[in-house]
Amino acid sequence: DVVMTQSPLSLPVTLGQPASISCGSNQSLVYSDGNTYLNWIQQRPGQSPRRLIYKVSNRDSRVPDRFSGSGSGTDFKLKISRVEAEDVGVYYCMQGTHWPYTFGQGTKLEIK
Amino acid sequence: QVQLVQSGAEVKKPGASVKVSCMASGYIFTTYTIHWVRQAPGQRLEWMGGINAGNGDTRYSQKFQGRVTITSDTSASTAYMEMGSLRSDDTALYYCTRGGGIDWGQGTLVTVSS
Repeated sequence: DVVMTQSPLSLPVTLGQPASISCGSNQSLVYSDGNTYLNWIQQRPGQSPRRLIYKVSNRDSRVPDRFSGSGSGTDFKLKISRVEAEDVGVYYCMQGTHWPYTFGQGTKLEIK
Repeated sequence: QVQLVQSGAEVKKPGASVKVSCMASGYIFTTYTIHWVRQAPGQRLEWMGGINAGNGDTRYSQKFQGRVTITSDTSASTAYMEMGSLRSDDTALYYCTRGGGIDWGQGTLVTVSS
């Protein structure tokens, strides 16, 4: 299985400040169709997961534009330009290129 | 809007089976896959398998192959995940999700305890 590794695992951030989460895979996530199926998933406390970003950098509908994704191949990043209180939760990167799909360990974002 | 509504919490004894349902609405059921993902306490999310709701083709993670069966009823827009030979370490929240995590159900807590 493809191993997804995130850092940091804990991310204390001051409100209004930027935040960044890195995600790496042990295999290239470029699929045979040329797409890279790397998603970012948010899980707020007590809630179901929610997809924020798909195919590296595409925001899902109703996702604020302060969230952005970047990267290629095996290295990816999620950035939040200005953290708000509602951003508290755990963030997972998830690859959908190789079966079975796999997730990172999760990064817990909290407000300082 | 799209909704995935799962069945309620279950408590099972070791060795038993459990069947969790996921009823979809707000889109054409047969045009997307439904996958199952679980989250054990303190563990990362884990992909179990999925079904193409259009043709019934299934695919399973090797970890769950032979112990998990995913089915669907297109007339009811509902997918099912059945797991047998339950163990205590199967205690987890089980989620259904449309496509590659596009939408998620509310989760079903399955507790395995003697």
